[in-house]
Amino acid sequence: GAVVSQHPSWVICKSGTSVKIECRSLDFQATTMFWYRQFPKQSLMLMATSNEGSKATYEQGVEKDKFLINHASLTLSTLTVTSAHPEDSSFYICSARAKLASYEQYFGPGTRLTVT
Amino acid sequence: TQLLEQSPQFLSIQEGENLTVYCNSSSVFSSLQWYRQEPGEGPVLLVTVVTGGEVKKLKRLTFQFGDARKDSSLHITAAQPGDTGLYLCAGVVSGTYKYIFGTGTRLKVLA
Repeated sequence: GAVVSQHPSWVICKSGTSVKIECRSLDFQATTMFWYRQFPKQSLMLMATSNEGSKATYEQGVEKDKFLINHASLTLSTLTVTSAHPEDSSFYICSARAKLASYEQYFGPGTRLTVT
Repeated sequence: TQLLEQSPQFLSIQEGENLTVYCNSSSVFSSLQWYRQEPGEGPVLLVTVVTGGEVKKLKRLTFQFGDARKDSSLHITAAQPGDTGLYLCAGVVSGTYKYIFGTGTRLKVLA
């Protein structure tokens, strides 16, 4: 149980274009999903917290107009990187909180974004 | 700003050796999680510790949460090549469900 998927697993896009990454909880309903980015050989940095049916809460320094997050249902959250630049190239990982009273987050397999 | 420092940053050991990874902060956390991450994959949850002083064992892995809930340790007994990976601690920010991830410990176990 508690499986989280991401699509696509990797994507290459041209500078200036937008790319959408999907995060799905496959066998549970996730009231809260989180988006992280991870640069090579570094730890995970929280970008935003996404609650179903409400606006995402962004961490300090993360541009909300550049990283659009939509949590349309209890099993789906999307991250759209708009007007991508090479410095946006990174490993993007989502996670979901499986239970209302639980601290545990279950992570997706990640999406490798390369902007050329 | 809450920070979680892990030490050591890198560790390369021979199969069969024991090791301990430390996760330290000046902040108190509601709970603390340990994850292992393989290259190109998402982190996989190993354990959650909630109570100060709590000790949990998972086969050859022993996790401890500090009495003041500011620090934690992961001890691996008789390390195996399959233990190779990036070990991450993550503390839950008080009053939220957000994680602060540690700086990471990259472990390599040589056969």
